[in-house]
Amino acid sequence: QSVLTQPPSASGTPGQRVTISCSGSSSNIGTIYVYWYQQVPGTAPKLLIYRNNQRPSGVPARFSGSKSGTSASLAISGLRSEDEADYYCAAWDDSLRGPRVFGGGTKLTV
Amino acid sequence: QVQLVQSEAELKKPGASVKVSCKASGYTFSGYYMYWLRQAPGQGPDYIGWINPNNGDTHYEQKYQGRVTMTRDTSMNTVYMELSRLRFDDTAVYYCARGVRFDLWGQGTQVIVS
Repeated sequence: QSVLTQPPSASGTPGQRVTISCSGSSSNIGTIYVYWYQQVPGTAPKLLIYRNNQRPSGVPARFSGSKSGTSASLAISGLRSEDEADYYCAAWDDSLRGPRVFGGGTKLTV
Repeated sequence: QVQLVQSEAELKKPGASVKVSCKASGYTFSGYYMYWLRQAPGQGPDYIGWINPNNGDTHYEQKYQGRVTMTRDTSMNTVYMELSRLRFDDTAVYYCARGVRFDLWGQGTQVIVS
């Protein structure tokens, strides 16, 4: 059972906006950074969002992250077929020895 | 090309050990800690620990302490993760990932304990 809670599935049609939620507690999301990863089945996860709402270079602006209290969300606008994948939230701070926890993942169907 | 290339899949018996390698290229090897995670089928990633390529310092999550050892070979820009006393539930894909953001991942190494 994962420390962070995500809905098992989400869906949308091309062009739509979808959001994926991630729920935690005051000991993880509530106090530290949230990260989001995209994983196409059979491949490694790919960093989408770091430190709650920052996008690495190369990640389209269609992807955005937010955090409020002990919950976080990933929003994908202008949905495309290639966005069909599993999405994982994760949480940790910058301390080297702190825990790094993940959600169980949300399968997005386009 | 900036990449992490891992070793091939392994099939092991319970009680044995497995050693997975992760070779970095295209960036300064010493500039980033290297992290190891694993992912069982249908589950999210599970964090194992890290190694500092500069001095070999390591940190392991408590659930893996006593069974995992991470090492590095700076001449080969390669880090290693060895897991001993394998159990059936160690069956998973093992990943190396770069830096505190996990911004670059290896392709994964399937380890099957059977």
